[in-house]
Amino acid sequence: EVKLVESGGGLVQPGGSLRLSCAASGFTFSSYEMNWVRQAPGKGLEWVSCITSSGKTIYYADSVKGRFTISRDNAKNSLYLQINSLRVEDTAVYYCARADLAYYFDFWGQGTLLTVSS
Amino acid sequence: SSELTQDPAVSVALGHTVWITCQGDTLRRYYANWYQQKPGQAPVLVIYGKNNRPSGIPDRFSGSNSGNTASLTITGAQAEDEADYYCNSRDSSDNHPWVFGGGTKLTVL
Repeated sequence: EVKLVESGGGLVQPGGSLRLSCAASGFTFSSYEMNWVRQAPGKGLEWVSCITSSGKTIYYADSVKGRFTISRDNAKNSLYLQINSLRVEDTAVYYCARADLAYYFDFWGQGTLLTVSS
Repeated sequence: SSELTQDPAVSVALGHTVWITCQGDTLRRYYANWYQQKPGQAPVLVIYGKNNRPSGIPDRFSGSNSGNTASLTITGAQAEDEADYYCNSRDSSDNHPWVFGGGTKLTVL
């Protein structure tokens, strides 16, 4: 059974930093592109970042470029998102999602809530 | 980056057919995928590619694509289909591989 479990969310002050994690199981993690997608309270889904299976190619949404860093550890079946210079508008549920055949997100985690507030 | 446009809200009478649409230039190159999201839950893939349903998705869900428009059809909508629906696809612009539509809230009357 494919499972994605996010962790690391919480309440952080503006300007702070945080690292989100996503633990994967039930599939060959090193064979899949992985993504972070976020959803602000009451808003729609926003793609944030993706990393190819090898980790060699990375993309970011313009809204997070320069502040967010995606990474993965294929030996640990884990995906990460380092978030720096946090802003109030980064408040959202952050989901990790697997991209199958690089054309659709077939599995999602349950999400982890990040709240940025003073 | 590209954009995908969805109607914010659609309603359908119980048992009737409803179409939820998604428009964007990137759909001329890539198929749309559709996700269902119920309150407090993670999104669930319901249609992907040309018109494929993951295991466990009822066959009342189907998808179609024409030009720059993709449609999700629910034939015989059920009360449990009330949810938010998002389209997404690969993004044909450089350095932004993915794009989501703004979502459509489906109400089953």
